[in-house]
Amino acid sequence: NAGVTQTPKFRILKIGQSMTLQCTQDMNHNYMYWYRQDPGMGLKLIYYSVGAGITDKGEVPNGYNVSRSTTEDFPLRLELAAPSQTSVYFCASSWAPPAHQPQHFGDGTRLSIL
Amino acid sequence: KQEVTQIPAALSVPEGENLVLNCSFTDSAIYNLQWFRQDPGKGLTSLLLIQSSQREQTSGRLNASLDKSSGRSTLYIAASQPGDSATYLCAVRRPAGNNRKLIWGLGTSLAVNP
Repeated sequence: NAGVTQTPKFRILKIGQSMTLQCTQDMNHNYMYWYRQDPGMGLKLIYYSVGAGITDKGEVPNGYNVSRSTTEDFPLRLELAAPSQTSVYFCASSWAPPAHQPQHFGDGTRLSIL
Repeated sequence: KQEVTQIPAALSVPEGENLVLNCSFTDSAIYNLQWFRQDPGKGLTSLLLIQSSQREQTSGRLNASLDKSSGRSTLYIAASQPGDSATYLCAVRRPAGNNRKLIWGLGTSLAVNP
């Protein structure tokens, strides 16, 4: 049981480039989330999804897009990379409404925009 | 506005010591509180989840308490081991109605020395 898998683990982008951070989970969880973690700032929610075909904005959605075509996958897209998007990105999932069940996290993608 | 503070930011103890990590929050109207562990270069692992109606939760050598009225939670680690070295994060979930949002502390970095 792999849990939540994120790829790639590391990436360096140039300003203006685009990329997709991949996230897949094999626990049949309905709820999935994308966070970014910056030093001294704590984790911030970017987007979340309560099921296939349903997504919604979190605290810091600007500059990102998501899709949820299947239960398993929740990719995060950066269209025009900016230095402010340098961060560690975490994908998470949970079975039930997150108020009742803890979230399971992937190992993160460390992204640098130069 | 809900804010979560964790003190101390870093802690170094000898192996075998019992220790307490602190988490405080400014708004007592919470749905639940969670403690997570983050190992370097890894994602977060959920340790304990305390619902607002509960006073404490235990898992092995870990015990988390919650005092909503004073806006505090503590994570007690008994007989600490070098393997406990990690960053410990607490997160507060807002009440139902906006219950997908976690408010995160910045963590306490724990080093347990052999």
